[in-house]
Amino acid sequence: AQSVAQPEDQVNVAEGNPLTVKCTYSVSGNPYLFWYVQYPNRGLQFLLKYITGDNLVKGSYGFEAEFNKSQTSFHLKKPSALVSDSALYFCAVRDWAGAGSYQLTFGKGTKLSVIP
Amino acid sequence: EAQVTQNPRYLITVTGKKLTVTCSQNMNHEYMSWYRQDPGLGLRQIYYSMNVEVTDKGDVPEGYKVSRKEKRNFPLILESPSPNQTSLYFCASSLQGTDTGELFFGEGSRLTVL
Repeated sequence: AQSVAQPEDQVNVAEGNPLTVKCTYSVSGNPYLFWYVQYPNRGLQFLLKYITGDNLVKGSYGFEAEFNKSQTSFHLKKPSALVSDSALYFCAVRDWAGAGSYQLTFGKGTKLSVIP
Repeated sequence: EAQVTQNPRYLITVTGKKLTVTCSQNMNHEYMSWYRQDPGLGLRQIYYSMNVEVTDKGDVPEGYKVSRKEKRNFPLILESPSPNQTSLYFCASSLQGTDTGELFFGEGSRLTVL
């Protein structure tokens, strides 16, 4: 079975500082990895994905994520945080082990607060 | 504008009173899915559909039904709602499933069952 862990319920960072939101995963085959963001009273929005290729993936709003196969991690990063980045962030994984379920498993979410 | 539309956005109902949450997408997506979001539990998949007339159970299907008679619509039916179905529900769609394409989410439907 596939699973995702976001070890931090909340991350606080000062505006202008770099931010990292952590995600680790467990799959039996090759992972497809995603990050989504949820602003208050809104649906989730896609930020970026890793399917194959370069381990550093760039996405929307200046975010990027680094795939690390040996550590089974896919941490979300941004060089300089903005107050407007404050939101709930979800990591998600799908195990591509061939044909089968298209189930996408989400982590429990990490609340990011950027302090002015 | 490309979007996933859910209705109602907010609903308070009583135990046992059947209700339907509608979901419609205008992007000609094949894949559609329902999730519920609960504090501390993240998003859990209820049902999904790979295409018209093809539906499958997710992680938490008990107490829910779905149908996919048309490509654009994927309603979620609660035949006899119970208080443990009080939650925030999201419908999502994708062009070709979740393996390469990102999901597009609706704005959510907050359901309270008394």
